[in-house]
This record gives sequence, structure tokens and C-alpha cells, in this order.
Amino acid sequence: DAGVTQTPRHEVAEKGQTIILKCEPVSGHNDLFWYRQTKIQGLELLSYFRSKSLMEDGGAFKDRFKAEMLNSSFSTLKIQPTEPKDSAVYLCASRPGTKDTQYFGPGTRLLVL
Amino acid sequence: KTQVEQSPQSLVVRQGENCVLQCNYSVTPDNHLRWFKQDTGKGLVSLTVLVHENDKTSNGRYSATLDKDAKHSTLHITATLLDDTATYICVVGDRGSALGRLHFGAGTQLIVIP
Repeated sequence: DAGVTQTPRHEVAEKGQTIILKCEPVSGHNDLFWYRQTKIQGLELLSYFRSKSLMEDGGAFKDRFKAEMLNSSFSTLKIQPTEPKDSAVYLCASRPGTKDTQYFGPGTRLLVL
Repeated sequence: KTQVEQSPQSLVVRQGENCVLQCNYSVTPDNHLRWFKQDTGKGLVSLTVLVHENDKTSNGRYSATLDKDAKHSTLHITATLLDDTATYICVVGDRGSALGRLHFGAGTQLIVIP
């Protein structure tokens, strides 16, 4: 079985650019999450989808971060415009249902210069 | 304010030694607590989940306890191996439903040396 896949694995962007990160959840999973991970803050929730519907958009990340899930097998996270403080690892996770554990992808490491 | 505190922040042990990782939280309600292992450059992998008051779980060389009264959990790793080198993250779920939020600790970085 394929786990959660994320592309690209690494991304370098100039300040002010638009970048799009991609995630394919485990087939059949209903819930999908986007997180940002830094050493200082740990994991911070960016978005949470349940059956493709946006349940939570991460509050403080609304202005430049937009996650979409146009079908049950693919999600994107757009950051526009990028800032150096966005440098972090972006993790995608999915789970079958609310009582199940999350399965995490390997993450995309973003560096904004 | 951080609602899940993990200690120590980092830990170095020799292969074969045992170690204990701590997790204290203030999340309310506390539906369940899960420990994850994150290898460098990888995603998080669930090790164990604790649900009930005074729960104890065991998964090979990993064992965990939960004290809901004290809002405290421990993760014990017995006879550590080099492959145990990773970050261990404690996560508390406040509900067992779609409305529930997950609260992540910052992690304990464990390094196992030969």
C-alpha cells in the first residue's frame, strides 16, 4: 500500500514567489491535514479537510496560505507570496476517520531566501 | 501558550541503555494521548496511543503510561538501538470526534550512540 506522498521533497524559493506543495493521501482516507514544522514551534496546523470539505484553516495562516482539495486523492498547499519566515518543513497527513491515527508523509523542506 | 511540554529537550544514551521521555500537558478535555516517532527527514509514525485513566501500553521495546489526574505521560524505551535515534513527539487529542483538535509537543530528540 502506498503511504502519503508529498512533492517536491525540497523547494528553494525567492522572497515574494508563489510556491505550490502537493500531497496524495492514503487511498480511502477521509481526513487530510497540512502542518508546518519548525524546531522552535514544533507542528502547527495549517488546514484540515474532512471528505474534501475544509474544516479548519489554521487561523493565523489564512492570509498567505491556501490549501485546496479538489478531489479525494490530491491536495495542494499554496503559499503566496513567500517570506523567509516560511522556511520550514511542511507535512501532510491523512487518516481513515476521526478515531484513527494519522499517517504522515515525508514532508517538503522549504527554504525561502 | 504551549499546552504540551516534553522533557528532556534532547537526550544522548549509549546503545543498550534504557531511557524515559516525559510529557506534561494542560489540554482539557484530554480524550487520548499518542506518542509518535519521527526519523530525520521523515514523517511521524505512531508508536502507541493511551486513552483511559492510568492506561499502560506496550509495543515491543516501547512502553508508555498515562496519568490523566496528573496530566502526565511517560515513554520508556528499553535496550536502545542505534535506530532509535529520532525525535519523539507527544500529541494530546481533546476530543474523539471531527471537532477534536490535536495538540503537539515540541518533541524530545533522542540520540543513541554506540
